Amino acid sequence: AQSVTQLDSQVPVFEEAPVELRCNYSSSVSVYLFWYVQYPNQGLQLLLKYLSGSTLVKGINGFEAEFNKSQTSFHLRKPSVHISDTAEYFCAVRDPRNTGNQFYFGTGTSLTVIP
Amino acid sequence: ETGVTQTPRHLVMGMTNKKSLKCEQHLGHNAMYWYKQSAKKPLELMFVYNFKEQTENNSVPSRFSPECPNSSHLFLHLHTLQPEDSALYLCASSQEWSSYEQYFGPGTRLTVT
Repeated sequence: AQSVTQLDSQVPVFEEAPVELRCNYSSSVSVYLFWYVQYPNQGLQLLLKYLSGSTLVKGINGFEAEFNKSQTSFHLRKPSVHISDTAEYFCAVRDPRNTGNQFYFGTGTSLTVIP
Repeated sequence: ETGVTQTPRHLVMGMTNKKSLKCEQHLGHNAMYWYKQSAKKPLELMFVYNFKEQTENNSVPSRFSPECPNSSHLFLHLHTLQPEDSALYLCASSQEWSSYEQYFGPGTRLTVT
């Protein structure tokens, strides 16, 4: 089974500063990679996904992530954060060889944007 | 209503109670899912339904019993739960069982006393 590691459980950052949320996964084979965001009292919402092609993926709300196969990483970045970005962020992996729909999620990173 | 809705949003129940969680999706999707979200733990996939048929049951205890009467509705029946079952229960749906994107509801916060 896959495993996903989000190294930082909490990330405080000042408004308009850049942020990087780290994600590493266990598999050395090709995988599909996702970032989800969960705003307070809401369900998860897809931010962006990597299936194939360009290693730099752009998502909603100005977020982007870079797939690095050699480091098995898929870090999420935003050049300038807003108060409204305060939320829980989850990295997820799916094995394309798996005929099921099994997503493996990390434990989440809580991003707090400080005014 | 749009998207995926869940009721109730909050539920407190004793260990001997029986209750049900309801999920409804208004997206015309064919697959629905139950996840358990506990603090500081990865989301755990509990059940998967595809065209009303259960396709996955990830070793979930029998005190959790899912029901999918049609592609739009999904229930999770609860009985004789344990305190460690307290968590946020998320429902999700996707166009097909193999779709890459799942749409999540807001969850039901369950507390077992």
